[in-house]
Amino acid sequence: GAVVSQHPSWVICKSGTSVKIECRSLDFQATTMFWYRQFPKQSLMLMATSNEGSKATYEQGVEKDKFLINHASLTLSTLTVTSAHPEDSSFYICSASLPGNQPQHFGDGTRLSIL
Amino acid sequence: KQEVTQIPAALSVPEGENLVLNCSFTDSAIYNLQWFRQDPGKGLTSLLLIQSSQREQTSGRLNASLDKSSGRSTLYIAASQPGDSATYLCAAGTGGNNDMRFGAGTRLTVKP
Repeated sequence: GAVVSQHPSWVICKSGTSVKIECRSLDFQATTMFWYRQFPKQSLMLMATSNEGSKATYEQGVEKDKFLINHASLTLSTLTVTSAHPEDSSFYICSASLPGNQPQHFGDGTRLSIL
Repeated sequence: KQEVTQIPAALSVPEGENLVLNCSFTDSAIYNLQWFRQDPGKGLTSLLLIQSSQREQTSGRLNASLDKSSGRSTLYIAASQPGDSATYLCAAGTGGNNDMRFGAGTRLTVKP
């Protein structure tokens, strides 16, 4: 149980394009979803925390207008990288958890390459 | 703010050796501590989860311990195999949403 699906797994696009990444909890209702970014050979850095039905909480240094997060249902959160540039190229991973400080369950990640 | 550190950053051992990976965290008020494995270009595979009330967890050749008072966790791998080669990440769950703060990882290479 507790499967999180992330789509797409890999995307390559031109600079200036907006890219949407989906994160779905397949067999449970996730009140909270998290978005992380990982640059090559570095660890995961939390970008934002989203609670269903409310605005996401962004970590310091993460531009909320650049990285739009929508968590409209208990099973789906989306991250949109707006007007992506090469420096946005990274590995983006989402996770989801049940309420009550339960462990997070991670998606397989999305590799984003901006040309 | 929680800071998580992993030592060593990289480790290379011959097959069959037992080894220990270290993780330290600055804020002892954690809900849990989790160890993950990450293969190159892949997502995370959860290995062991230790709740704050627990001292250790075991799964097969893996054993993870937690000492909240000293802010430390260790991952013990017995009889290492080449297939164990990967990056191992520890993460401490803190805060109201159980925010996970990750260490930078230990890159393990097990040589045949």
